[in-house]
Amino acid sequence: NAGVMQNPRHLVRRRGQEARLRCSPMKGHSHVYWYRQLPEEGLKFMVYLQKENIIDESGMPKERFSAEFPKEGPSILRIQQVVRGDSAAYFCASSYLQGRDTGELFFGEGSRLTVL
Amino acid sequence: ELKVEQNPLFLSMQEGKNYTIYCNYSTTSDRLYWYRQDPGKSLESLFVLLSNGAVKQEGRLMASLDTKARLSTLHITAAVHDLSATYFCAVIYGGATNKLIFGTGTLLAVQP
Repeated sequence: NAGVMQNPRHLVRRRGQEARLRCSPMKGHSHVYWYRQLPEEGLKFMVYLQKENIIDESGMPKERFSAEFPKEGPSILRIQQVVRGDSAAYFCASSYLQGRDTGELFFGEGSRLTVL
Repeated sequence: ELKVEQNPLFLSMQEGKNYTIYCNYSTTSDRLYWYRQDPGKSLESLFVLLSNGAVKQEGRLMASLDTKARLSTLHITAAVHDLSATYFCAVIYGGATNKLIFGTGTLLAVQP
């Protein structure tokens, strides 16, 4: 059973370009979370999605950032017009139904974005 | 808003010694997780603590949870170099969203 798959693992963009990060949850998982980790810091919650729905986006910056989890295909975190401050590791996590297990999140390997 | 604090932020210890990392959180929660992260890597789940008084042990690591005190501890026994990593605690916040709020992390360096 494959784990949470993220790609690309490393992404370099110039200021003003767009970054698209993809996340395929574990098989059977319908809940996806995105976290951002700045250098030398902990993980900050960004957004929680279920298939075709954004459940909680309280951690998303108001501008330039968007996320989706379509009925088919991976979840995508999109950052428009990137700035140097967007340089970070972006982690995706998935979980199974709430209440059916510990609610434990399983994390992907992360996508490391560098903005030049 | 839930705040999760860990201390110490950095811990340098010698092999063979014991030490404890503390995780405090500010609002009621009945689930707490400990993760390990190696440099440039993802997070590895260590422990899931589901109830007050829960204690779990794996090898040289033991975690406990006191929900009344809003405190969890991660105890390291007879540390070895392989335990060097950053350790995060995380607390469930918001019943409907199930999102984890992470602590600041503790960077553990075990010296030979």
